[in-house]
Parts: sequence; C-alpha cells; structure tokens
Amino acid sequence: DTEVTQTPKHLVMGMTNKKSLKCEQHMGHRAMYWYKQKAKKPPELMFVYSYEKLSINESVPSRFSPECPNSSLLNLHLHALQPEDSALYLCASSQDARGETYEQYFGPGTRLTVT
Amino acid sequence: DAKTTQPNSMESNEEEPVHLPCNHSTISGTDYIHWYRQLPSQGPEYVIHGLTSNVNNRMASLAIAEDRKSSTLILHRATLRDAAVYYCILRDLTTSGTYKYIFGTGTRLKVLA
Repeated sequence: DTEVTQTPKHLVMGMTNKKSLKCEQHMGHRAMYWYKQKAKKPPELMFVYSYEKLSINESVPSRFSPECPNSSLLNLHLHALQPEDSALYLCASSQDARGETYEQYFGPGTRLTVT
Repeated sequence: DAKTTQPNSMESNEEEPVHLPCNHSTISGTDYIHWYRQLPSQGPEYVIHGLTSNVNNRMASLAIAEDRKSSTLILHRATLRDAAVYYCILRDLTTSGTYKYIFGTGTRLKVLA
C-alpha cells in the first residue's frame, strides 16, 4: 500500500471556526509533511515531522497547528483562518526525512475555502 | 527561494518524445536532482532522481549535464495521460539534519492528440 489518504477532500469554513485536516499513511514511513499550494503555484512546505517530532516549521502562522499523534497520522488544526489561507493542503510522507534520496508520497490534498 | 528554473509551459504531440529542461546553476556537488509531476486534481508524484550520470526508469529518463548545472527530463513517448505540471526539485539540508524540497515553478506540459 503506497497510498497517503487525506480527509476531508473539501472543506469550507468561516473565519471563526475551528477545523482539522487529517492525513494517514501505512507504509511505515517516519517522516510526514504538510504543504500549502495556491492555484497555479508550486507546493510550499509548511511543516515536517520526523519520528513524530516537529523538525521544521517554515514560519507558519500560529493559526495553523500541526500534530503527529503517531507515526501513521498527521493532523493540521485550523483556527481563526483568513480568506488568503484558502488553498490546497497537501500531506506527504517519506521513509525518513534525513535521507537525500527518499521519495515523498503525496496525498490528493484537501481543498480549503475560508469564507 | 527556488533553486531551479524551468520554462512555464511546453507542448508536445502524442506519441512523440518530450524534453523538459531545468537549470540549477547553484547546485552543490552532493545535491541530487529530483523530478515530480502533478496531474490535474492530484498531489505530486515521483518521477525520477539522479546525481551525476543519466538515469532511466519505467516512467522517464533523466539526462544530467556534465557540469550538473542543468538537466533534462525525457518522456520517450508522450501520451495524453502525461499532461501535467513537471517540477524539477533540489533539496535543502536544514540545521536539524532534515531535508526539505525546494520546488521550482514547474513546466506545464500540454499533450496534443
């Protein structure tokens, strides 16, 4: 199974709502990633978890809060978002974040709209 | 900042070879060159990677210049299913020992029937 699953596929939320995005993989990977992708732009890295510990935070605003409950699961908690946060949120995993050649497996993404 | 530069878009006829170029003039001696593609409404998927010599797999070939400042992804026979955005990527090694991808702007490939 080389699949990364993300739920929900689509999410519409108001600026005062609290919601969470979920990501799951069962490949035994020890690195998981959150990316943000705006329309017609490349993905931009947000967070990296390595062995369930936060390894990289790309200066992401605190209204985005990542969580890695175990090696298979990755959550992104959302609170008080702005309309400009509307984007496709991609989750990815790889065998290890410390290897130069380990490929990343991406999920299909969650399309988030903030109203 | 992106470490790679690619043309914004390219077109190819179906069943013909496609050469997608990438410039990475600031590449270091130990940087691998990675290629991913993103089909419409999907997340990116791995295509190929290489360090110095040319690489082949079932999806594509990667030709790396001798000075490593550029590379070319080669699709030997483009099909309509190859229409996607192709990203040439280098990685950054952070102070935590973790690698992160630096995506370029990508090339949108259109395949004509």
